[in-house]
Amino acid sequence: AQKVTQAQTEISVVEKEDVTLDCVYETRDTTYYLFWYKQPPSGELVFLIRRNSFDEQNEISGRYSWNFQKSTSSFNFTITASQVVDSAVYFCALSGVSNAGNMLTFGGGTRLMVKP
Amino acid sequence: GAGVSQSPSNKVTEKGKDVELRCDPISGHTALYWYRQSLGQGLEFLIYFQGNSAPDKSGLPSDRFSAERTGGSVSTLTIQRTQQEDSAVYLCASSAFWGNSPLHFGNGTRLTVT
Repeated sequence: AQKVTQAQTEISVVEKEDVTLDCVYETRDTTYYLFWYKQPPSGELVFLIRRNSFDEQNEISGRYSWNFQKSTSSFNFTITASQVVDSAVYFCALSGVSNAGNMLTFGGGTRLMVKP
Repeated sequence: GAGVSQSPSNKVTEKGKDVELRCDPISGHTALYWYRQSLGQGLEFLIYFQGNSAPDKSGLPSDRFSAERTGGSVSTLTIQRTQQEDSAVYLCASSAFWGNSPLHFGNGTRLTVT
């Protein structure tokens, strides 16, 4: 069975603060993929990043960075210098070779509120 | 089209009525998924289609739920004899390849059962 846990249900920060969203996963697959999606108030889920289980390099994309640590089964997401437009629900998700196709197991989501 | 299209965007129905939700995936995407997002909850997998293979229905919550995909493109999710607990946002997604390509989601259909 696969499981994704996002322990932070809601985070509130003031604009320009850095914020880290935690994601912990469980899987018996040795090959798997991890994802982050953003769901703004409009409702559409927007793909942010995919990492495979063999690539533990951290990744940075603008103000976004991701820290993948297999030793702790974590795939955390950091937003640097947060902006009001970052306010959204963020979902971490997992897909393993035992899944049907690309079927994703999602965490419960973290609602991020960035206040001006 | 440019993205996954779902219709209607909102649907209000009376308890006991049947509803049909439509999903038009990105052209060329062979895989199509339905998820359900209840208020304040995460995403719950419902059903998955891949090409002409038999769908994976393992996530459907009851036999009142069914889905089909015609011609490998448009999909319809049908809920019969709707119940209030069916109220949720139903999200459709498609992806290009088998190999863990990202899912691209539509805006969803918000279903309210009164």
